[in-house]
Amino acid sequence: DQQVKQNSPSLSVQEGRISILNCDYTNSMFDYFLWYKKYPAEGPTFLISISSIKDKNEDGRFTVFLNKSAKHLSLHIVPSQPGDSAVYFCAASPTGNQFYFGTGTSLTVIP
Amino acid sequence: NAGVMQNPRHLVRRRGQEARLRCSPMKGHSHVYWYRQLPEEGLKFMVYLQKENIIDESGMPKERFSAEFPKEGPSILRIQQVVRGDSAAYFCASSPTSGGKNYGYTFGSGTRLTVV
Repeated sequence: DQQVKQNSPSLSVQEGRISILNCDYTNSMFDYFLWYKKYPAEGPTFLISISSIKDKNEDGRFTVFLNKSAKHLSLHIVPSQPGDSAVYFCAASPTGNQFYFGTGTSLTVIP
Repeated sequence: NAGVMQNPRHLVRRRGQEARLRCSPMKGHSHVYWYRQLPEEGLKFMVYLQKENIIDESGMPKERFSAEFPKEGPSILRIQQVVRGDSAAYFCASSPTSGGKNYGYTFGSGTRLTVV
């Protein structure tokens, strides 16, 4: 039972352009949402979070958008850089303790 | 200022043996979480511990798996009588307070368990 879904397993973007990674969830009780970035053979690294009381949170080149009515989350990276190439996971939680992770989207930024 | 330290990085066990995975949280972090990533899947929550207490073990398989976080020393995830389906990457994360809702957890680099 996958409560958090990332339907695009991979995405390729030209350097300098915008990367948009999408995430859908099914549980209306989720109140906390996170994005993580993961390189091979390393643990996930926290990128950005948003709570359900907001619809947007921005941190430098990274912006997360939340549409609660659609149960949809997206991460925008602009401008994309080659170092952004990694697997991106979205995660959601009702309490902020146990997080449910998506299966990840592998982003490749082409120089 | 070391991050979350997990060891070993790679662990090979034969079917039926025991696997012990260790996690030392970041300095000042008293909350530890264990996640498992099976091939081609996302991370799945297993257990949430504070010092000497299991807070939420809803993601732990009912048999063969146990976790502890003693007053002194690292957190241990123990898998008894391993089977091939236990082969996965096991990640530990820590946070300074309850929940990683605002700042996320800090993850370790994981232990890759292979059961042969």
